[in-house]
Amino acid sequence: QKEVEQNSGPLSVPEGAIASLNCTYSDRGSQSFFWYRQYSGKSPELIMSIYSNGDKEDGRFTAQLNKASQYVSLLIRDSQPSDSATYLCAAIDGGTSYGKLTFGQGTILTVHP
Amino acid sequence: DTEVTQTPKHLVMGMTNKKSLKCEQHMGHRAMYWYKQKAKKPPELMFVYSYEKLSINESVPSRFSPECPNSSLLNLHLHALQPEDSALYLCASSQDRRAKNIQYFGAGTRLSVL
Repeated sequence: QKEVEQNSGPLSVPEGAIASLNCTYSDRGSQSFFWYRQYSGKSPELIMSIYSNGDKEDGRFTAQLNKASQYVSLLIRDSQPSDSATYLCAAIDGGTSYGKLTFGQGTILTVHP
Repeated sequence: DTEVTQTPKHLVMGMTNKKSLKCEQHMGHRAMYWYKQKAKKPPELMFVYSYEKLSINESVPSRFSPECPNSSLLNLHLHALQPEDSALYLCASSQDRRAKNIQYFGAGTRLSVL
């Protein structure tokens, strides 16, 4: 069974700090990786997508992908209280299940003032 | 514009009722999805439609019946649901089913089955 696992939370960081979220995946055929943010009672909102090994930066967010280690991470710099949410790591494989997003269990992030 | 619109936002139904959830997008996307999310769990895929044809059914019970009348609209027909079917139902769409395409989620319908 194809799995996506995230580092256990909850994660609590002070305002202005760097929050580091990690994710591993079991399917070597996975091609695309996404980080979604979900506020309580709301739907998932895309934060980052990454498809190639290396880093991808967008504002305060940096996603890192290492396909050899089957590892994806998300760094949030200068964390703000508004970043407090559940962060979902997701992967899509390139096999017969095109279009199927497999999510990790999520990491709850709290940024305290 | 990456808007996926779901109606209704909330739905309460009895176990003998028949109801429908509606999802609409006007981004020209050709793949649409239904996910179910229970409290404190990640979304779980139910169905995938690609070019208005059902391409993935994740062994969902027949009391859930999807329908894709056209490329912009996706329905989920509900009949004889159980209390354990209470959840947030999320619709998503993407350009097509290819792996690099981002799935955009609607706000969801929160369903309570009494």
